[in-house]
Amino acid sequence: RKEVEQDPGPFNVPEGATVAFNCTYSNSASQSFFWYRQDCRKEPKLLMSVYSSGNEDGRFTAQLNRASQYISLLIRDSKLSDSATYLCVVNRFTGGGNKLTFGTGTQLKVEL
Amino acid sequence: NAGVTQTPKFRVLKTGQSMTLLCAQDMNHEYMYWYRQDPGMGLRLIHYSVGEGTTAKGEVPDGYNVSRLKKQNFLLGLESAAPSQTSVYFCASRQQAIDRYTFGSGTRLTVV
Repeated sequence: RKEVEQDPGPFNVPEGATVAFNCTYSNSASQSFFWYRQDCRKEPKLLMSVYSSGNEDGRFTAQLNRASQYISLLIRDSKLSDSATYLCVVNRFTGGGNKLTFGTGTQLKVEL
Repeated sequence: NAGVTQTPKFRVLKTGQSMTLLCAQDMNHEYMYWYRQDPGMGLRLIHYSVGEGTTAKGEVPDGYNVSRLKKQNFLLGLESAAPSQTSVYFCASRQQAIDRYTFGSGTRLTVV
């Protein structure tokens, strides 16, 4: 079983739609969580950190459920510019320092 | 402020050739990382460094070597390239005790 699992998609949604992605992680010792955005042939960029209390940044809301070991990302009022791959990233501390594990990403296509 | 700069951006190698990928950051970050990204797989850690003069193996270190002679530079070497090393390579850096990673724009390497 992969340590971080995501539905690869693609999710094809019309502009203005609300779309949600989930991600599950297998290691209960994981301590911090993130969503990164990756545009085609570009580098990953941090979208937002994810907290148990939930956090919102404009049209984006992230949520962590530690009991069920999943992370979610909600995008409201989708824009064409939201089209990208969204990477779920999980961090845990090991004897050698931080260990980031990346999901394979969920592809979003926002259409007119 | 360039952030993280990778050179070269593209390279084609023949099997058995060697090359060095350079990563340079101007943010005075302590930690630096080399990842590879392959289709259908999340980013995987090759090697990392927690400070000048120190390096450590990541998840997939075989076939690669690294050096961190200066704090701002992290070099990734392929001594004898193999087709299995065809990938996109990303360098990243972060400050100590801060989980925010900054990625370079990537190097697309093809080994024929």
